[in-house]
This record gives sequence, structure tokens and C-alpha cells, in this order.
Amino acid sequence: QSALTQPASVSGSPGQSITISCSGTSSDVGAYKYVSWYQQHPGKAPKVMIYEVSNRPSGVSNRFSGSKSGNTASLTITGLQAEDEADYYCSSYTTSSTRVFGTGTKVTVL
Amino acid sequence: QVQLQESGPGLVKPSQPLSLTCTVSGGSINSGLYYWSWVRQPAGKGLEWIGRIYTRGSTNYNPSLKSRVTISLDTSKNQFSLKLSSVTAADTAVYYCARDEGDLLILDYWGQGTPVTVSS
Repeated sequence: QSALTQPASVSGSPGQSITISCSGTSSDVGAYKYVSWYQQHPGKAPKVMIYEVSNRPSGVSNRFSGSKSGNTASLTITGLQAEDEADYYCSSYTTSSTRVFGTGTKVTVL
Repeated sequence: QVQLQESGPGLVKPSQPLSLTCTVSGGSINSGLYYWSWVRQPAGKGLEWIGRIYTRGSTNYNPSLKSRVTISLDTSKNQFSLKLSSVTAADTAVYYCARDEGDLLILDYWGQGTPVTVSS
């Protein structure tokens, strides 16, 4: 299985909105609603920010939102804050009952 | 509050097996609602899913690692384990264990990660 494709980096100024794309195939992103997004700060374990394409776990800011169209999922962060600077990974369940991660995107707050 | 903690050797010689254990506290590994997963991350690189085991013992593995990976459960100790055979330098990474919520299919609780270096 190949990693899902994400842009290597995305940046924005405080208060702005950014969107991270996650491109897969009909065997993963396009197959199910089980697309999730993880935030990882340096030296820390990942933390789930979005699950089932667009749902937020309890405690996650509503500035984070997710969507999907066909084989591509997206994560949008509105009202960008300094604490949002981190690496972000998408993940999808696959038709082979496995999980695949995206290549990762470094978000920089200018 | 569920907590996971990885343990095992930080240094493994090439061609030897890598063995790690994840101890789960704050919840039973035998609850039937969850899978138990391993994920790794080479320094400066992205996350790679290794595989998972269900409470009843069924497993799913990353196809690229399947021939070398075994994940097992020890319900008496509330632990699950990873064994990766015939390691090379490419297996050097931080290894994380995580709980995989069975209905939502998300990795909702993670260990802190343990670094493993493959070197002679």
C-alpha cells in the first residue's frame, strides 16, 4: 500500500485559514468514511483531531474541520494560532482491512 | 484514563529480531471494543502503520512488513507485543503503541514512543 499524498508544508499568518489535502485512491480514502487526521508536535505522540472525515473528538477546537470529495480528503484550520504549528497526518482505513497514513504536512505559523 | 507504555531494547543488531511490549493501564486489553496497534516513525520522517491485533487474536499487518511482523496479546498481563524479524538499519525508528477504537477506527490513545536503533 502506498502512503496517502499530502503537501510537504503549508503556512499561514495568525488568524488566517489553511487547508491541507490528502490524496488517496478508491481503495482507501475513496472507499470509506474512516478518514482521520492527527496532529503531532515535535517529540510528542500524535493526537487525533478529526475522525470519520469530519467529526471532532471532545476537546478539539472547532477551528479544525474536515471534508472529503472522492479520493481526496481535506483538513482546514481556521483562525490559525501559534499552537497549531505542528505536523499533520491524514490516515485512512483500506479495503484490505489495514490502515495507511499520509506523507505528512508541516504547518508553519508565520 | 487509559495509558499505554512501550518497553524494550533501544539497540538491536542487524539481522536480529526486534521485540517490544506495550503495557496498558486504566482499561482492560480484553474488552472486545478495541484493536491494539503499532506505528513507527523514522527520525524526521512520517508515520508508518505496522499492524494491529484484535482482542480475539485476529491480526492485520502492513503488507510491506507482513513477512517479518508478529503482533501478539498477553491478556494476563494486559500487554501486547511486537516482534519484527531480520531487522536492518531501515527499521531504526521511534515505535509507538496505540489503541485503535473499533467502531470509529481511530488511534485514540498512544504511548509516548520508544526509540529503537538498529546498529552493530
